Amino acid sequence: AQSVSQHNHHVILSEAASLELGCNYSYGGTVNLFWYVQYPGQHLQLLLKYFSGDPLVKGIKGFEAEFIKSKFSFNLRKPSVQWSDTAEYFCAVKGLFGQNFVFGPGTRLSVLP
Amino acid sequence: NAGVMQNPRHLVRRRGQEARLRCSPMKGHSHVYWYRQLPEEGLKFMVYLQKENIIDESGMPKERFSAEFPKEGPSILRIQQVVRGDSAAYFCASSPPVSGNTIYFGEGSWLTVV
Repeated sequence: AQSVSQHNHHVILSEAASLELGCNYSYGGTVNLFWYVQYPGQHLQLLLKYFSGDPLVKGIKGFEAEFIKSKFSFNLRKPSVQWSDTAEYFCAVKGLFGQNFVFGPGTRLSVLP
Repeated sequence: NAGVMQNPRHLVRRRGQEARLRCSPMKGHSHVYWYRQLPEEGLKFMVYLQKENIIDESGMPKERFSAEFPKEGPSILRIQQVVRGDSAAYFCASSPPVSGNTIYFGEGSWLTVV
C-alpha cells in the first residue's frame, strides 16, 4: 500500500529564510507526486506536481520541488519565505493506474514577520 | 468553469441525527474522492468513487458511513447516527478520467456534532 511521510510536523521560520519540507513515499511502481497548500480556513490548492521528465519542478509562488527516485523523496523548497506562506503543506502521491491519492500528514509552516 | 462544489459549507447536527454532504465535481470529471480532516490532523482518505462505482473505500469506517456517486447528480457522503467524534471538515476532490491527473478540491463541509 502507498504511504507518505512528512518529516516535520511544525516548522517556524522568519521572513526571508529558506525553506525545505521533506516528503518521502513508499510505493513500488511509477508515481505522480504533488504538493498542496492549505491556507488557514481554506481548501487545498495545488502548488506543483511531478508526472515525468525534469525531476526539478517549479510551482506557483516561487516554490519548487525535486523528485529523487533513488530516495523516494519529493522535497519542497523555497529560497525566501514570506509571512503569507504561513499555511499547512501536504505532500501527496498517486500510483499511475487507478489508485487513489494518498496524502502525508501535513507540515504546518509558520512564518514570523 | 465552476470548481468542485460542496454543500452545505457548514452543518450542525445533534448526536444521533444523520448528516448528508454533497459534492458536485468539476465539469468533465468522473472521479470523486472524499477526505476527512480532523482538527490539528492531516487529511485522511475515506473513499474513491467513479460514476456508479465505489473503487476504494478502505478509509471509510465500517459502520454509519456510506458514499455514493450516482449516474446523475452529486456524490453524497452520508453519516448516520452522528457522534461528537464525527465533527470534522470533509473535503471532496475530483479528477478527470485520465490516469495521473491532478485532483481539485472543494472548499469543504464543516460538520459540527453537538
